[in-house]
Amino acid sequence: ETGVTQSPTHLIKTRGQQVTLRCSSQSGHNTVSWYQQALGQGPQFIFQYYREEENGRGNFPPRFSGLQFPNYSSELNVNALELDDSALYLCASSSYRGLNTEAFFGQGTRLTVV
Amino acid sequence: AQSVAQPEDQVNVAEGNPLTVKCTYSVSGNPYLFWYVQYPNRGLQFLLKYITGDNLVKGSYGFEAEFNKSQTSFHLKKPSALVSDSALYFCAVRSTSGNTPLVFGKGTRLSVIA
Repeated sequence: ETGVTQSPTHLIKTRGQQVTLRCSSQSGHNTVSWYQQALGQGPQFIFQYYREEENGRGNFPPRFSGLQFPNYSSELNVNALELDDSALYLCASSSYRGLNTEAFFGQGTRLTVV
Repeated sequence: AQSVAQPEDQVNVAEGNPLTVKCTYSVSGNPYLFWYVQYPNRGLQFLLKYITGDNLVKGSYGFEAEFNKSQTSFHLKKPSALVSDSALYFCAVRSTSGNTPLVFGKGTRLSVIA
């Protein structure tokens, strides 16, 4: 167990809807990153939050947005869902001060857009 | 830009035989390198990392990896494979300079046959 928890574990949404995914980071970690893992692919970096501010973003459109709260938990919001948004969404927590430290991943949220 | 290549989609090995899962990387400057394993419907679990120092890194569950700077490779190895090692393996890289995210390869599925 990594101590990183994500909710919900599974979710089915209709195209055009909005979704919010949640992540609780491991104790002592102040950085949260979100990744999208499409079927048969490696995780793709969406964005990273450090101390409640976004400080890194991958090649994802603005309809992917996030928040980090004072307790370092985080949300990923996706607006105007598209079929291609169907994927496993992974949250990872780490210590910003240690770029050489490993990130600890949650079990993921499986999002299906129909 | 950072990138990781895992040239084999699938690796098959008999139980008890040695296994190798290949990874090459591209990064500006020096790399931090990581291996993660993913079991079905689960998040990623950290196996080992290379930061600096000894080129042979030992990790969890008997896995090890060898960093080769001249070949920009970081192959994962295990002397004797177990059926329970069957899973999806991801190599990831991060530059030592700046706040850059982990970049993952597309993964290699390892199948250990009894």
